Amino acid sequence: DAGITQSPRHKVTETGTPVTLRCHQTENHRYMYWYRQDPGHGLRLIHYSYGVKDTDKGEVSDGYSVSRSKTEDFLLTLESATSSQTSVYFCAAGGTSSYEQYFGPGTRLTVT
Amino acid sequence: GIQVEQSPPDLILQEGANSTLRCNFSDSVNNLQWFHQNPWGQLINLFYIPSGTKQNGRLSATTVATERYSLLYISSSQTTDSGVYFCAVETGANSKLTFGKGITLSVRP
Repeated sequence: DAGITQSPRHKVTETGTPVTLRCHQTENHRYMYWYRQDPGHGLRLIHYSYGVKDTDKGEVSDGYSVSRSKTEDFLLTLESATSSQTSVYFCAAGGTSSYEQYFGPGTRLTVT
Repeated sequence: GIQVEQSPPDLILQEGANSTLRCNFSDSVNNLQWFHQNPWGQLINLFYIPSGTKQNGRLSATTVATERYSLLYISSSQTTDSGVYFCAVETGANSKLTFGKGITLSVRP
C-alpha cells in the first residue's frame, strides 16, 4: 500500500550467505510485520514489532531475526540462508488508527 | 490458534457474472480484512470489516461476527478481478493476522 516500500524487490543468493531485507514506512504506524508466502501455505507471520526495539516471534520464526531501531524501518535478516527460505516476503504495517494492516509490494528471494 | 477457512478454493466466472466468496473463522475477532492479490503478486486492501457491511463500487462485504463468517460479493465481474482473494483475521491485542488459504478467481472474457 501507499507509504510502504521494500528493498530489494528481487534477490538471488547462495546457501549459507546472510541476507537482510528492508521495510520502510512513512505513515508512522506502530506495528510492523514480516510474512512469507509459499504455495499451499498462504501467508504466514515470521516476526512482528509493536514499537521501536520491541519485537516478537510469529509462527515461522526459526532461521530469521529482526530489528527495529526507528519507527519507519523494520529489517528482516536471514543469518545463513537455506533453500527452504526461498519465498516471497511481504512487509506490513498498521495499528495507527485501527487494526487494519497495509502491505508492501513484496520481495522475491531465491536461495540457490 | 484461530482457524480460517475460505470457500470455494477455486472459482471460474464468465465476465459480467456475480459471485460470493466466503470466509469462516473459528473464534471472535478484532479485525477481519479482505485482500486481492493480483497476477503481479501485489496485495491490495479491499475491506477492513470486523463487523457489518461495506460497499466499494462493484465489491461489497458483510461480516456476521456472532456467526463467525464473512462474505465478499463481486458483481458484474471483470477480467481484472482475476487473482487470489484472501481473508485474514486477528483475535488478540497485538494485531497479528492469520490468513486463509485464499480463493483463486478466474474471470474469462
